[in-house]
Amino acid sequence: SAVISQKPSRDICQRGTSLTIQCQVDSQVTMMFWYRQQPGQSLTLIATANQGSEATYESGFVIDKFPISRPNLTFSTLTVSNMSPEDSSIYLCSVEGQWTGASTDTQYFGPGTRLTVL
Amino acid sequence: GESVGLHLPTLSVQEGDNSIINCAYSNSASDYFIWYKQESGKGPQFIIDIRSNMDKRQGQRVTVLLNKTVKHLSLQIAATQPGDSAVYFCAEKKLGNEKLTFGTGTRLTIIP
Repeated sequence: SAVISQKPSRDICQRGTSLTIQCQVDSQVTMMFWYRQQPGQSLTLIATANQGSEATYESGFVIDKFPISRPNLTFSTLTVSNMSPEDSSIYLCSVEGQWTGASTDTQYFGPGTRLTVL
Repeated sequence: GESVGLHLPTLSVQEGDNSIINCAYSNSASDYFIWYKQESGKGPQFIIDIRSNMDKRQGQRVTVLLNKTVKHLSLQIAATQPGDSAVYFCAEKKLGNEKLTFGTGTRLTIIP
């Protein structure tokens, strides 16, 4: 199993500013994932972050808006840049691992960062 | 594009009764289907998964059924408890691809 922490747990920000979200894992992992979960909706993958290489972004997400750092095998950051109210969401990081009873590797999730943009 | 969707956005069940949460998927090439539970203020937690070559898998109080003919997945929770109140997501995964595709989600409310 993996224990994942995120900072901050929540924040209220003004439009036009940027917020950097931190994700810390208690073990070394190759891949980390960043998701957005808009209010009352499902999870949408923003990007996949491998240590030592640039993040791979999903359709609809760009590096200028969501720059990601992955300086080592236990840590990653996601920045939400030039925020607007539409960026109000929960942002979650995850890592791949083996849950007890799982048939295959799947993802462990952090607790999320709840962002409100005014 | 491919998607995983759910039939019902909300479900209310009397405590002690069984609940069934449904999910329709469209990617017949998926190798695994996974159910996650997300409680308020928390990240999703793994419940159970099923490989595409199976049609049923049981866990503790939960059973997942897979009907490939109609591309339908369900999660059955037996003898529901207040702690089962959460949003449940189905997700699908293809071997060799670490990405998960999530369904819409169903909010399950247990009525005392």
